[in-house]
Amino acid sequence: QSALTQPASVSGSPGQSITISCTGTSSDVGSYNLVSWYQQHPGKAPKLMIYEVSKRPSGVSNRFSGSKSGNTASLTISGLQAEDEADYYCCSYAGSSTFGVFGGGTKLTVL
Amino acid sequence: EVQLVESGGGVVRPGGSLRLSCAASGFTFDDYGMSWVRQAPGKGLEWVSGINWNGGSTGYADSVKGRFTISRDNAKNSLYLQMNSLRAEDTALYYCARGSSSWGYWGQGTLVTVSS
Repeated sequence: QSALTQPASVSGSPGQSITISCTGTSSDVGSYNLVSWYQQHPGKAPKLMIYEVSKRPSGVSNRFSGSKSGNTASLTISGLQAEDEADYYCCSYAGSSTFGVFGGGTKLTVL
Repeated sequence: EVQLVESGGGVVRPGGSLRLSCAASGFTFDDYGMSWVRQAPGKGLEWVSGINWNGGSTGYADSVKGRFTISRDNAKNSLYLQMNSLRAEDTALYYCARGSSSWGYWGQGTLVTVSS
């Protein structure tokens, strides 16, 4: 159960697009279309932004999109806004006894 | 409105035990799998344990396997985490979350501090 790999930080200017990568293995990201992404603001509980690789829960802006290729999943945020500044975590299902393996988290800074 | 309210956290000595509870409301509890996810101070998220809708299937992170036990009481709309042989590295905010492989609703967490 090794953590998924995310960049520690990314940044972008308002209006720009950024992509956060999440690299796992053939035992997790590569085997299941069960990758999810969470946004967490300081002192708050995480919020689900993307589930099953590319699906958006009701109420989440369509500026957020997800994709996957092989063992790597990605979260793209387009039209960056100041309120997007937060920590982002990916997570993948990894089997019947390991419901979730998280990435280490990526701090997004909106310049 | 979906609500998840955790309780049972506190300060415990290494080797001690705690039982966390999560009271669920606003949805049909036994329609959903549930999980516990923790976050050490200043660190990232870590999935701890999960359970399916009827308790027939459970899973644990390697870091807690053999020490923690997840359970649920659908009649009481409640989720539990029995934590034994606690270690300093178990110090964290423990979240209850609804779902099996992704978690759309989270509680506010209950803080567990393991310290002598």
